[in-house]
Amino acid sequence: DQQVKQNSPSLSVQEGRISILNCDYTNSMFDYFLWYKKYPAEGPTFLISISSIKDKNEDGRFTVFLNKSAKHLSLHIVPSQPGDSAVYFCAAKPTNTGNQFYFGTGTSLTVIP
Amino acid sequence: DGGITQSPKYLFRKEGQNVTLSCEQNLNHDAMYWYRQDPGQGLRLIYYSQIVNDFQKGDIAEGYSVSREKKESFPLTVTSAQKNPTAFYLCASSKFANEQFFGPGTRLTVL
Repeated sequence: DQQVKQNSPSLSVQEGRISILNCDYTNSMFDYFLWYKKYPAEGPTFLISISSIKDKNEDGRFTVFLNKSAKHLSLHIVPSQPGDSAVYFCAAKPTNTGNQFYFGTGTSLTVIP
Repeated sequence: DGGITQSPKYLFRKEGQNVTLSCEQNLNHDAMYWYRQDPGQGLRLIYYSQIVNDFQKGDIAEGYSVSREKKESFPLTVTSAQKNPTAFYLCASSKFANEQFFGPGTRLTVL
């Protein structure tokens, strides 16, 4: 049972525009959320995280929004650059299972020059 | 430089053979993890270890085994009992409950 879902397998955006990647979760015990970026044949690299006590976290061009009532988070990339083209995974961690993380299926972002 | 290394990058196995994937970290992280990634799927947890000499099964542990004799090392053995082992394997580590740091991955192909 997939507890973290990314319903859009792919997304294409023009360079300079905003990219919005979405993630939904089902477990109300999740209290820490992360986004990772992954290039083919490489390991994911950490992008940004957010704790459930916040509803927004910003780091440069990347902003993560958390809507706890809707069990939904999103990653905004503004402005999008061709180097942002990669697969993006969201991940979540519940309070009661130590260090176990749950990952979504990923969204492949293509930024068109 | 601190980081996580995985070896080999590519691995070929004949059916019926066991193979061991290496994962080493020098980040002084307590927890280590093994994930499997298949095309079109997310990262699925195979095993994780929060301290030396202790590990827990993840969602897809059948056909795999691990050991954690040293803090720095968390090797994964893919046994002949794993019916569909061809995949991309990722090792990760984390300090406390913060973000995980991933290695570059090992692509295993069964011939």
